[in-house]
Amino acid sequence: KNQVEQSPQSLIILEGKNCTLQCNYTVSPFSNLRWYKQDTGRGPVSLTIMTFSENTKSNGRYTATLDADTKQSSLHITASQLSDSASYICVVRGYQKVTFGTGTKLQVIP
Amino acid sequence: DGGITQSPKYLFRKEGQNVTLSCEQNLNHDAMYWYRQDPGQGLRLIYYSQIVNDFQKGDIAEGYSVSREKKESFPLTVTSAQKNPTAFYLCASELGGAGDTQYFGPGTRLTVL
Repeated sequence: KNQVEQSPQSLIILEGKNCTLQCNYTVSPFSNLRWYKQDTGRGPVSLTIMTFSENTKSNGRYTATLDADTKQSSLHITASQLSDSASYICVVRGYQKVTFGTGTKLQVIP
Repeated sequence: DGGITQSPKYLFRKEGQNVTLSCEQNLNHDAMYWYRQDPGQGLRLIYYSQIVNDFQKGDIAEGYSVSREKKESFPLTVTSAQKNPTAFYLCASELGGAGDTQYFGPGTRLTVL
C-alpha cells in the first residue's frame, strides 16, 4: 500500500531558528516528490519538486533533500519567520497516483 | 490574473440537501481534481478529470458527482448520499504531465447543519 508519513506532526520554534521536517514514503514506482506549504484555511502552494535523480533543491530559505534509496525526504527551513507558520505537506507521485502525507504543522513564535 | 478559483469560501447545508461547489481555472490546464481534507488526514482524492467530457472516480467518490463540460470548469456536487460531508474541499489543476505541479484553489469549507 502506498503511504507517505511525515514527522513530527507539529513543531513550535522561535523566530530566526532553523528546523527540519521529515517525510518517509513507500510509494512505488516513484515519479516525483513535492513539498507544499498550506496556510490555515487556504489551498496548498508548491515549494519544491524533485525527481528520482535529484538529491537537493532550494527555494529561498526552503531546501528539500531526497534519498531515493531509503525513500526519505526532508524539508529544511533556514532562519524561520513568523510567516512560515503553516502546515507542510509531502506529496509523492507514483504511476498515475498521487499520495499525500498528513502534514507537519509548524508554528513560529516571536 | 491567472489562477484557480473556488466558490463559495464557506457553505452551510441542511441534511438531505444536495449542494454544488464551483471550481474554475484560466490556466489552460487539461487536468482537474477534487480533494477532501479532514483534520489529521492527508488529502483524499474524490474525482479527477484529465480531459473535457471525461472524469474518473478517486478513492472516495461515493456520495459525490462531477461534470466537465468545459475545460475551465469542474463543479463538484455533494449529494445527500454522502454520509459525512462536513469537510474542507480543495480543487486543483495541472497541465497534464506526470512531472507537473498541481495548483490548488483556496478551498471551500462545507458544514452540514
